[in-house]
Amino acid sequence: GESVGLHLPTLSVQEGDNSIINCAYSNSASDYFIWYKQESGKGPQFIIDIRSNMDKRQGQRVTVLLNKTVKHLSLQIAATQPGDSAVYFCAENNNNDMRFGAGTRLTVKP
Amino acid sequence: KAGVTQTPRYLIKTRGQQVTLSCSPISGHRSVSWYQQTPGQGLQFLFEYFSETQRNKGNFPGRFSGRQFSNSRSEMNVSTLELGDSALYLCASTKEGAGRSQYFGPGTRLLVL
Repeated sequence: GESVGLHLPTLSVQEGDNSIINCAYSNSASDYFIWYKQESGKGPQFIIDIRSNMDKRQGQRVTVLLNKTVKHLSLQIAATQPGDSAVYFCAENNNNDMRFGAGTRLTVKP
Repeated sequence: KAGVTQTPRYLIKTRGQQVTLSCSPISGHRSVSWYQQTPGQGLQFLFEYFSETQRNKGNFPGRFSGRQFSNSRSEMNVSTLELGDSALYLCASTKEGAGRSQYFGPGTRLLVL
């Protein structure tokens, strides 16, 4: 029979623009969150993390925002570059139980 | 510092066979977690090993097993392979335990025919 795959949300942005990727998590008890980037043929690469006692954390060109009220996480990428094209997914952790989102495919147009 | 390494990178097996995959964590990392990634189910947690003991386990059948050695290297085994076991198997290591700053290897892509 036909297999049904996850339909990844996609985001297409112009090079140089800012990107915002969103994630809804499921467990209000989760206390640690991570964003990963996965390029084709490679394993996920750690981008940035945030603990539940924070609502914002900044890295190099990336910012993660956490809204615990609505269980929402976002990743902002400033000045998006072609090398940022990949699948991005969030992960939530509760007592060493890691759950991953399905991911969003980011495509950067030159 | 070398990253997480996994061997082999690619593998083709037939139904009913068994397979063993290997993972070498980053030096100093004592926790190794295994994940299965498929287009249909995304990234799913298999199990975590810390100091040679299985500390957490996901919802996979008993055909999936693992172990960790004293040098923190880990292996996972899948017995009686099924077509649905075709996937990318990822290993991740961390100092503190699954869920804290995990670093992933490149994965082993398994195809079951």
